[in-house]
Amino acid sequence: EVQLLESGGGLVQPGGSLRLSCAASRFTFSSYALSWVRQAPGKGLEWVSSISHSGESTYYADSVKGRFTISRDNSKNTLFFQMNSLRAEDTAVYYCAKGGPDWGSGYWYFDLWGRGTLVTVSS
Amino acid sequence: SYEVTQPPSVSVSPGQTATITCSGERLGDKYACWYQQKPGQSPVLVIYRDSKRPSGIPERFSGSNSGNTATLTISGTQTMDEAEYFCQAWDSSSVVFGGGTKLTVL
Repeated sequence: EVQLLESGGGLVQPGGSLRLSCAASRFTFSSYALSWVRQAPGKGLEWVSSISHSGESTYYADSVKGRFTISRDNSKNTLFFQMNSLRAEDTAVYYCAKGGPDWGSGYWYFDLWGRGTLVTVSS
Repeated sequence: SYEVTQPPSVSVSPGQTATITCSGERLGDKYACWYQQKPGQSPVLVIYRDSKRPSGIPERFSGSNSGNTATLTISGTQTMDEAEYFCQAWDSSSVVFGGGTKLTVL
């Protein structure tokens, strides 16, 4: 089954760091852009970051720019998200999401989502 | 930054047509997509590139986009369609989600 599986969430104090991972299976990982989308408890979806299929291009929401870093290891079919200087407002379920086959042509949407991992920032 | 807006809630009777809108400045010049999210579950793509349905999505789901408004239409709505629906667009290498619309089928 084609799937994405996130890990690495947990409880962290304000100002702390956390590294999320997303393991992909049963699709050609290196051919697709990937993204992180978060959802605060009881709230809507918020795009956080995207990375091109090769890893050469990265994009960030203003809310996390300079604090979070997206990266990927195509040899290990894994996406990463380094989160530093965490704030209470970063508390959310973080979803890993796969871009569609036409992402490179400028059509940005997500055709596969993981189950998410919960990040809680609290003292 | 670009923004899209959805109504917080829409109600529909079973078998009727549900219409959910997504508004943004000149949204029709961009592409919109829609996700369905049921409680405790991950979002599922139901419409992409304004009107295309992914494999496995029932034909009763359709989409359109013109002017300042994208629309998700569910024909013959079923109780299983009760969920939150999010529209999404992108602009200047940034993805934007609407706030979500809670669809109640009763």
